[in-house]
Amino acid sequence: QKEVEQNSGPLSVPEGAIASLNCTYSDRGSQSFFWYRQYSGKSPELIMFIYSNGDKEDGRFTAQLNKASQYVSLLIRDSQPSDSATYLCAVGDRDDKIIFGKGTRLHILP
Amino acid sequence: ETGVTQSPTHLIKTRGQQVTLRCSSQSGHNTVSWYQQALGQGPQFIFQYYREEENGRGNFPPRFSGLQFPNYSSELNVNALELDDSALYLCASSLGPDSYNSPLHFGNGTRLTVT
Repeated sequence: QKEVEQNSGPLSVPEGAIASLNCTYSDRGSQSFFWYRQYSGKSPELIMFIYSNGDKEDGRFTAQLNKASQYVSLLIRDSQPSDSATYLCAVGDRDDKIIFGKGTRLHILP
Repeated sequence: ETGVTQSPTHLIKTRGQQVTLRCSSQSGHNTVSWYQQALGQGPQFIFQYYREEENGRGNFPPRFSGLQFPNYSSELNVNALELDDSALYLCASSLGPDSYNSPLHFGNGTRLTVT
């Protein structure tokens, strides 16, 4: 069974610091990788997506993909209290569509 | 641009009953996926519809069924409700049959409670 693994947290990061969220996946054939943010009681919203090895930056967010290690990460620079949420890693492949991890709870300390 | 809308927002049902949840996809999107999210868990893939045909199914029993209509809106039906069906049900729309490569855009979800 294909799996997406995340540390459930909580991950506590001081305001203004860099938050680093990690995810590993089991299927080497996975082709697309997504990060979603989910506030308590709300639905997931897309933060970043990445398809190729390397880094992809969008504002304060950077997604990093290493297909050889089956590892994807999300860096949040200059963390703000509003970044406190659960971050879901999701992986897509042709057979299983998009599969989500259980999420990492991030808490930004003011 | 109209986003994904789901109805109802909350629902309480009794074990053994049947329920229908509804979803209107984002304008321009032709693929709808349904997910179940239990408390403290990540979303679990139920199934996906592309142009009115089921285009993929997760590990859910047949009592979970769906439809997609010509306007790309969709329904999720669950028969013989069980207590473990209590969860947030998320509808997401995307573009194209190869939706594993397309970001999902979620609605606000339907919170189902089975008593």
